[in-house]
Amino acid sequence: KNEVEQSPQNLTAQEGEFITINCSYSVGISALHWLQQHPGGGIVSLFMLSSGKKKHGRLIATINIQEKHSSLHITASHPRDSAVYICAVWGETSGSRLTFGEGTQLTVNP
Amino acid sequence: GAGVSQSPSNKVTEKGKDVELRCDPISGHTALYWYRQSLGQGLEFLIYFQGNSAPDKSGLPSDRFSAERTGGSVSTLTIQRTQQEDSAVYLCASSLVGRAGTQYFGPGTRLLVL
Repeated sequence: KNEVEQSPQNLTAQEGEFITINCSYSVGISALHWLQQHPGGGIVSLFMLSSGKKKHGRLIATINIQEKHSSLHITASHPRDSAVYICAVWGETSGSRLTFGEGTQLTVNP
Repeated sequence: GAGVSQSPSNKVTEKGKDVELRCDPISGHTALYWYRQSLGQGLEFLIYFQGNSAPDKSGLPSDRFSAERTGGSVSTLTIQRTQQEDSAVYLCASSLVGRAGTQYFGPGTRLLVL
């Protein structure tokens, strides 16, 4: 079992829909990242959080440390949101290494 | 300002040859990371440099892989005696303050070993 599990692996939505991507992890963590990988391969860091909730534009990330679970929400989805979304964690005992989930491929159709 | 740059963007090599991949981090960023993404796989940590500290090499898959960071800036990842399983996209990222900082990723080098 991977230390970081994402669901779903693939997600197709219609423009305007509310989207949720989930991330569960099995180790104690210092922080959790959400990354976005564009179809061309470029990676952008969306959020880094260790508690509570963060919001940036139409994106919201939440984390529940006790349940070892984080969610990434996209409101009013748009075709340009189509990308792979990756969850990654800093383990408490992993030094400087990030452990990555396998990613969720999101496709938003017009 | 300029982001993280990597070169070459694509590299095709023959099995057994050595390759060097270069990363230019954002100026002033003290932390630099190398990652690998194999086809259809997730990202995999390789190595981490922080300032003048000894690098964390715990993610390097074999002794054929090595990396240097000269003058706290440019980094080179070297793969000796390349194997077909080394084919992947190699990504570099930098951050201002190490673990606590947002990582900024380069565009990657796509390596194909024939």
